[in-house]
Amino acid sequence: EAAVTQSPRSKVAVTGGKVTLSCHQTNNHDYMYWYRQDTGHGLRLIHYSYVADSTEKGDIPDGYKASRPSQENFSLILELASLSQTAVYFCASGRGEVFFGKGTRLTVV
Amino acid sequence: GQQVQQSPASLVLQEGENAELQCNFSSTATRLQWFYQHPGGRLVSLFYNPSGTKHTGRLTSTTVTNERRSSLHISSSQTTDSGTYFCAIDGAGNTGKLIFGLGTTLQVQP
Repeated sequence: EAAVTQSPRSKVAVTGGKVTLSCHQTNNHDYMYWYRQDTGHGLRLIHYSYVADSTEKGDIPDGYKASRPSQENFSLILELASLSQTAVYFCASGRGEVFFGKGTRLTVV
Repeated sequence: GQQVQQSPASLVLQEGENAELQCNFSSTATRLQWFYQHPGGRLVSLFYNPSGTKHTGRLTSTTVTNERRSSLHISSSQTTDSGTYFCAIDGAGNTGKLIFGLGTTLQVQP
């Protein structure tokens, strides 16, 4: 199975602080994604990328930035973390079949 | 936009019983994937099955594309099958993104 590695696995951030979530994939996939999971909402797409140095907005991009410096790496950036951004974040890669990382549990206090 | 409906929302079984999970979607899907989410949170791909029937172990996925539905059958359930099962299809446009249903939470009791 494709390998998608997320770091950190969990994080506590202060409101107004900057948070960077990292994702690394080793399967030569062009497409990478950041999803957010909240109870009652399933998974929703925040940002995605289909080529290095380019990112696209997903369904809920407000409050988030993304960076794709290389094919293997895709980061999600919260410039000013807010309480409402407490959630589990998943990175994924793939175009046909999609593979997910283990997730990052972010708590904003 | 594309919508995915999963049923039932939750299901409780006794170990050894079979389960049938349903996924219905609003428009024709060219990609369909079933995932299992461990209680600890990791999403594991079970099937990439945009059409037809696929088997792995005690699991069978059947997708009927023109009827916009897919099912996941679990035979002889085990306590380790407990968790949440998600169906996801391709979103509108050529974005590669997946649209997820809200999942079916399965609890298998010993």
